[in-house]
Formats: sequence, structure tokens, C-alpha cells
Amino acid sequence: AQTVTQSQPEMSVQEAETVTLSCTYDTSENNYYLFWYKQPPSRQMILVIRQEAYKQQNATENRFSVNFQKAAKSFSLKISDSQLGDTAMYFCAFMKPPAGGTSYGKLTFGQGTILTVHP
Amino acid sequence: DVKVTQSSRYLVKRTGEKVFLECVQDMDHENMFWYRQDPGLGLRLIYFSYDVKMKEKGDIPEGYSVSREKKERFSLILESASTNQTSMYLCASSLWTSYEQYFGPGTRLTVT
Repeated sequence: AQTVTQSQPEMSVQEAETVTLSCTYDTSENNYYLFWYKQPPSRQMILVIRQEAYKQQNATENRFSVNFQKAAKSFSLKISDSQLGDTAMYFCAFMKPPAGGTSYGKLTFGQGTILTVHP
Repeated sequence: DVKVTQSSRYLVKRTGEKVFLECVQDMDHENMFWYRQDPGLGLRLIYFSYDVKMKEKGDIPEGYSVSREKKERFSLILESASTNQTSMYLCASSLWTSYEQYFGPGTRLTVT
């Protein structure tokens, strides 16, 4: 079974600064997907960024980037130029790729990190 | 835009009551999921469904059942609500061919 651990229950950052959220995971799989989801105070969860394990290049989406260290089973999220709208709970999540003839499966989530951006 | 809606934002029920949580998606997604979210535990999968009338247990199915009679609707049923089922419940949906899950706004259920 896979496990995902986020060791930072809460983080804070000043507006325009950079913050890094940590995530580690445990799996015996060689191929898989990793995700960061954002849950703003209004509670609708949205996907921020994804990483395929077979890709060495770290994923980037505008101000969001990841540091994927496969051997260390580490997957951190860096938010550059933090904005007030980045205030949210962030979840790291793991997914196995589909086996033949099956669909994409379930997400395994970490505990979440509450990020507060201060003006 | 994909829209996933849940029947209630807040719900208060008494111990022993039968509770129905409804989820509807409007993008013809094959897959639908029910998670519960608890502080310090993140989200945990209760049940999921890949097709109408199909269901599979997730990590914590005990005390819950589900129903999927139509493709767009996935219901979570608490047969006899207990206080330890007080939680936030999130529904999600996805295409058969996609890893991306779209979430509803959640239902905060309190069982007293």
C-alpha cells in the first residue's frame, strides 16, 4: 500500500516571497503519478500540478513548480511570488497508473498543509 | 467547465438516522468517488464507481454504502449514522481516460 506524508501542518509566507511545501511518499511501484491539490477556504479542491514518475524533468505551472526526487521519494511544491489567493490547504497525492483495461484509479492523499499568505 | 455539485453544504443528523449524500456531475464522467476529509488525516477514499451500477470499496467503506443508478449521480448512504461519521465528505469525478479528478464543494456532516 502507498502512503503519503506531509510533515508541515501549517506554513506561512509573506506576499511576494517564495515558500516550499514538503511531501514524502512510500511505494514499491516504479511508475506512478504525483499531484498537488489546493483547497481554498471555500473548499472546492483543484489540481495545481502533476508529475509523472518516469519523467526526470520537474513539472512547472506558472508560479508553481515541483522538486521531484524519485530515489528519495520526495515531492515538494515551490510557490514563487506568493499571492494572497494562494492561501489554502495543500494536499500532496499519489496515484498508480491504470493496469490494462482499467481506468485511472484512486488518489492517496497526505495529511495536508495549511498555507497562509500574509500581506 | 466541469461542475460537481453536492446536495448540501451543511447537514446535521441524529445518531441512528439513515443519511443520504448526493453528488451530481455534468460532464459525462465515467468515474465517481466519495472521500471523507478529517483534520490530520487528509482525504480517505470510501467508495468509487467506474460505471453505472458498478462500485468498489475504497480504504474505509465500513458503515457506508453507495448507489449509482444514473451516470451523473453517485449517492453515499450512511445506513445508521454514528458520531464517528461526523466529517467533511467530498465527491469527485473523472473521465475514464484521465487522471484528473474534479471535486465538489463538500458536505459538512455533523452527527449528534
